[in-house]
Amino acid sequence: DAGITQSPRHKVTETGTPVTLRCHQTENHRYMYWYRQDPGHGLRLIHYSYGVKDTDKGEVSDGYSVSRSKTEDFLLTLESATSSQTSVYFCAISPHMDGNTIYFGEGSWLTVV
Amino acid sequence: SQQGEEDPQALSIQEGENATMNCSYKTSINNLQWYRQNSGRGLVHLILIRSNEREKHSGRLRVTLDTSKKSSSLLITASRAADTASYFCATGPIQGAQKLVFGQGTRLTINP
Repeated sequence: DAGITQSPRHKVTETGTPVTLRCHQTENHRYMYWYRQDPGHGLRLIHYSYGVKDTDKGEVSDGYSVSRSKTEDFLLTLESATSSQTSVYFCAISPHMDGNTIYFGEGSWLTVV
Repeated sequence: SQQGEEDPQALSIQEGENATMNCSYKTSINNLQWYRQNSGRGLVHLILIRSNEREKHSGRLRVTLDTSKKSSSLLITASRAADTASYFCATGPIQGAQKLVFGQGTRLTINP
């Protein structure tokens, strides 16, 4: 298994509170991604990073911010959680840009009540 | 918007039978990948096929790609109970970073 650790794995939070999900990798891969998975939508890209301090938006970035201060860590922050952000969040990594395999973490289950 | 769409959404077969899943996409691609997801787990890469390839094999997996029809198929031969999972196709764009776009998946159930 790729060395990807997501934390927390499960979290219940209240609407309007900030939430940060952490992704830590031990593979020294350049690219890191945050996806969310919802029934009927498959996986959708939220944000990705192509290097330290280099990030870009994905398909569903509204309401989310990210930061990458070190190669191994990629943080996803919900500034003010809403019920529509209840989802399973997956971090993923890949070594290269051109058609390489993406390796996924085990997921973080977030419930916003 | 979703690029890949899998068909069928759910498939139930007997152990030992072959399972075929299809994926259609809308725009030109660099590559197409298939992933498996066991319940409650992350996705695991199965196979990648590039846009200039037509068929690829890996063990009991066979993937085809028809860029003229913008479609791909995943064949699992001699299915096993352990193959029970959801299967996703993901398309890699021609330009830009590795921003794979996933379909909604096919839920495969192998009955003993």
